[in-house]
Amino acid sequence: DAGITQSPRHKVTETGTPVTLRCHQTENHRYMYWYRQDPGHGLRLIHYSYGVKDTDKGEVSDGYSVSRSKTEDFLLTLESATSSQTSVYFCATGAGGNQPQHFGDGTRLSIL
Amino acid sequence: QQPVQSPQAVILREGEDAVINCSSSKALYSVHWYRQKHGEAPVFLMILLKGGEQKGHEKISASFNEKKQQSSLYLTASQLSYSGTYFCGAKGGGSQGNLIFGKGTKLSVKP
Repeated sequence: DAGITQSPRHKVTETGTPVTLRCHQTENHRYMYWYRQDPGHGLRLIHYSYGVKDTDKGEVSDGYSVSRSKTEDFLLTLESATSSQTSVYFCATGAGGNQPQHFGDGTRLSIL
Repeated sequence: QQPVQSPQAVILREGEDAVINCSSSKALYSVHWYRQKHGEAPVFLMILLKGGEQKGHEKISASFNEKKQQSSLYLTASQLSYSGTYFCGAKGGGSQGNLIFGKGTKLSVKP
């Protein structure tokens, strides 16, 4: 759906290590988003991008950074992973305005 | 402010109807509905814009009550394939804002 690929799909790592998740889209959508999904919390926005090199914080951005050097790629980085960042991470893209968001298949990240 | 969804969970028999509500304490510009099956990505269902527009998708329809700042999702003659978690995403302040999702409503349809 909408040509969104997330990598890796699963990752297990240790506390304190850096982690980078990648989102790649083939739809040329202007907007890209990173969400985390935890039981009892629904989907919460971490960061989003509204163009190349244009990014902004969402509601749960502490401990995360993002970069978008090309329209098709949006990277999410955990500089020093903590156990509280264990979650399922979803990337989404959209044309903005009243257009729908389309989600990737998610990355399951476990931090031990 | 996260919209509030109700009920949190519902169990149906095939053929029964259900209503899922999504309420916001802030003025809404639009409400987006998604369905997520276990272990999969959320899938877009429909968007409701302020103005009370009602939309439909298969036997699933939705309405938007601007006065109550509430959207309702109606599932009629439910099928097994309707099982999943339904999320509403609320957008306020115009079309350029971000979506804030509710915590979801888990729907289970039994044969």
